[in-house]
Amino acid sequence: RKEVEQDPGPFNVPEGATVAFNCTYSNSASQSFFWYRQDCRKEPKLLMSVYSSGNEDGRFTAQLNRASQYISLLIRDSKLSDSATYLCVVNPTDSWGKLQFGAGTQVVVTP
Amino acid sequence: NAGVTQTPKFQVLKTGQSMTLQCAQDMNHNSMYWYRQDPGMGLRLIYYSASEGTTDKGEVPNGYNVSRLNKREFSLRLESAAPSQTSVYFCASTRDRAASSYNSPLHFGNGTRLTVT
Repeated sequence: RKEVEQDPGPFNVPEGATVAFNCTYSNSASQSFFWYRQDCRKEPKLLMSVYSSGNEDGRFTAQLNRASQYISLLIRDSKLSDSATYLCVVNPTDSWGKLQFGAGTQVVVTP
Repeated sequence: NAGVTQTPKFQVLKTGQSMTLQCAQDMNHNSMYWYRQDPGMGLRLIYYSASEGTTDKGEVPNGYNVSRLNKREFSLRLESAAPSQTSVYFCASTRDRAASSYNSPLHFGNGTRLTVT
């Protein structure tokens, strides 16, 4: 079983619609959580950190559910430029050397 | 401000050949990392350097060696390339060693696409 699991998609989303997807993690003691965005054939870039209380950054909302061991990402009013692969990143310890990456969820926003 | 710079961008090797992937960061970050990314899998850590002068194995270190040359530079060497090492390699850096700092995200280089035939 993978330590961080994501639905690979693709999630095909009409422009302007809302899309949401989850990521589950296996280690209940995980310390910190992040969403990274990766465009095709590019490097990953931090989209947002995920805090215990949930957090919002513009059209993006991230939630953490420790009881069920998943994090979620919701994108409102999708733009064509939101098309990318979204990587879930979990840190089970207090060390950056132990980060666990999901394989990513592909989102395709269509006109 | 270039961030994290990796060279080369592309490389084709024959089985058994050796090569070194170079990585440099200009953000005065303490920690540096080498990851590989394969289709259908998350990024996997090969080696990391928590600070200048230290290196540690990650999840998939076999077949690789690293050198933290100074605070800026962290190189990855394949001594005898194998087809299983065909992958996209990313170098990354963080300001802090500890992940409890949400203000210290990973900064990635552009990647090196390596094919071993």
